[in-house]
Amino acid sequence: GENVEQHPSTLSVQEGDSAVIKCTYSDSASNYFPWYKQELGKGPQLIIDIRSNVGEKKDQRIAVTLNKTAKHFSLHITETQPEDSAVYFCAASKGAGNMLTFGGGTRLMVKP
Amino acid sequence: DAGVTQSPTHLIKTRGQQVTLRCSPKSGHDTVSWYQQALGQGPQFIFQYYEEEERQRGNFPDRFSGHQFPNYSSELNVNALLLGDSALYLCASSPGTVQETQYFGPGTRLLVL
Repeated sequence: GENVEQHPSTLSVQEGDSAVIKCTYSDSASNYFPWYKQELGKGPQLIIDIRSNVGEKKDQRIAVTLNKTAKHFSLHITETQPEDSAVYFCAASKGAGNMLTFGGGTRLMVKP
Repeated sequence: DAGVTQSPTHLIKTRGQQVTLRCSPKSGHDTVSWYQQALGQGPQFIFQYYEEEERQRGNFPDRFSGHQFPNYSSELNVNALLLGDSALYLCASSPGTVQETQYFGPGTRLLVL
């Protein structure tokens, strides 16, 4: 089955700096890659996603890149703010109607 | 438009007991997936329901079972609870085979003593 590895497990940055979280996947049939943000005591919230026919996607301060050949994808957050502090999860699936396989998570701490 | 809702928010059970968790999907969504999230880990897929049938199942024992109702809401049942079943149980809904995006509810925190 699919295996998703996520690094780093913890990341501490100063407010205003950029943060990068990287994930690798094992199943070349995976074609959908969402990123979720989970705050304490809450469920995961979708923040951005990318499909395998696209190499990069941006939404304001958040961007995701995908390298299908290398089977890895990354989340980039620019101009970080204290409210960006949370646990971030990457995931992979084979598309509509299929399960999500999650990475282990990255705890991002943005210091004011 | 209400998002995914789950009940109860918290639950405490003892070993050997049975538990039922409930989920109402986002409006317009007909597919419900259940995930188990142990403390400090990513969610693990349990199973998915579509058209009132289990469509996919993850690597969980038969003690975990579910149901989907005609209004698309769903239940997760766990029998013979073990201490290791303590976790956050998440429900996610999606619009069937139309779109891949899954939206999560707030979860039910289950503690087994």
